[in-house]
Amino acid sequence: GAGVSQSPRYKVAKRGQDVALRCDPISGHVSLFWYQQALGQGPEFLTYFQNEAQLDKSGLPSDRFFAERPEGSVSTLKIQRTQQEDSAVYLCAGATRSYEQYFGPGTRLTVT
Amino acid sequence: KQEVTQIPAALSVPEGENLVLNCSFTDSAIYNLQWFRQDPGKGLTSLLLIQSSQREQTSGRLNASLDKSSGRSTLYIAASQPGDSATYLCAVLYGQNFVFGPGTRLSVLP
Repeated sequence: GAGVSQSPRYKVAKRGQDVALRCDPISGHVSLFWYQQALGQGPEFLTYFQNEAQLDKSGLPSDRFFAERPEGSVSTLKIQRTQQEDSAVYLCAGATRSYEQYFGPGTRLTVT
Repeated sequence: KQEVTQIPAALSVPEGENLVLNCSFTDSAIYNLQWFRQDPGKGLTSLLLIQSSQREQTSGRLNASLDKSSGRSTLYIAASQPGDSATYLCAVLYGQNFVFGPGTRLSVLP
């Protein structure tokens, strides 16, 4: 596609529900990053993939967060048993070989 | 641990002014530095990428410089326009992580 797409754009979940957020990067971008952005702050790193390999997951805030990229293209960020503190915008970015990042529009998650 | 700060946090200028946004980082062992703009409710749009071996990059009215030894980058915007109003973020590639600053919220008044 022409750019990075994310779905859904908005998600409201009741506390305790599981959610799955999808990222479809630009074709050919072997690197993929997930970020969490709180209101008024810069994005915080969650995890990094190179192709299908998850090379760094040090930013995942708890074991309720899980990410995968099984075929090295589309990635899914899953949050189990959502809590109110998980409310944020979740951004994904693909990157070129020189690590120039291209971001999707984000998914705004609200946990009630 | 890499920390990135941006000054000022917010800036309001009249249309036509030239302005400078600042980004500082604590560890000079970076691979690159990228400037982005973010419009309300939107994702980040890449403006300029500076590799660690480069000193500056230019695109249209934008010029970004990088001084690794002092841990600083500046984004210069010439002849600002109301359409430049957005939040500007810098990010450094440090190890395998990108570390972002908190952003500068820019308002250009017509």
